Amino acid sequence: DGGITQSPKYLFRKEGQNVTLSCEQNLNHDAMYWYRQDPGQGLRLIYYSQIVNDFQKGDIAEGYSVSREKKESFPLTVTSAQKNPTAFYLCASSIRLGAMNTEAFFGQGTRLTVV
Amino acid sequence: RKEVEQDPGPFNVPEGATVAFNCTYSNSASQSFFWYRQDCRKEPKLLMSVYSSGNEDGRFTAQLNRASQYISLLIRDSKLSDSATYLCVVNLGDTGFQKLVFGTGTRLLVSP
Repeated sequence: DGGITQSPKYLFRKEGQNVTLSCEQNLNHDAMYWYRQDPGQGLRLIYYSQIVNDFQKGDIAEGYSVSREKKESFPLTVTSAQKNPTAFYLCASSIRLGAMNTEAFFGQGTRLTVV
Repeated sequence: RKEVEQDPGPFNVPEGATVAFNCTYSNSASQSFFWYRQDCRKEPKLLMSVYSSGNEDGRFTAQLNRASQYISLLIRDSKLSDSATYLCVVNLGDTGFQKLVFGTGTRLLVSP
């Protein structure tokens, strides 16, 4: 089945540690996104990528880093510089070019907790 | 001004009621629009795209008003299972790229 997979589902991090969240898609989508959602809040864009080896900062990129070495994969690293990393992280993908009304498909999310 | 704004609610309605949500967007160059549904502690899922001419899918109707820069979602004959948060999504990109921006969501609670 085609889809977008995030792992792990739950992640606990000690303060000062970097952690990497995985996001893989087999939908052949060009664009991939990372969002953060805090309780009772909307989704905020962290980073997005339109093509391999290219990515752009979203609204809250500080303390995060990404890579896009393969079309299928867009891992997110939460660094120790991120002051309040506890949140629900959602990865999404969509077709990039030429199509109208190209919706985004989401993974099931990763709940990150700093302990 | 936020790029996408929604009334957070909650909207409390009885089963069978009709309820409508609005969402305003600030960028007049926005290309495409969507409504997503998000259940508690789950990922958002596409409910429907919003077309310029308006579109309907069963009990759900979406409208776009470009002049006033808002989209709406109408739910008729509400069911208990419609209880969720409804997210308005705007694509701020042009045909060369996409930047999807989400509203904070409107929470709907349908009661028996």
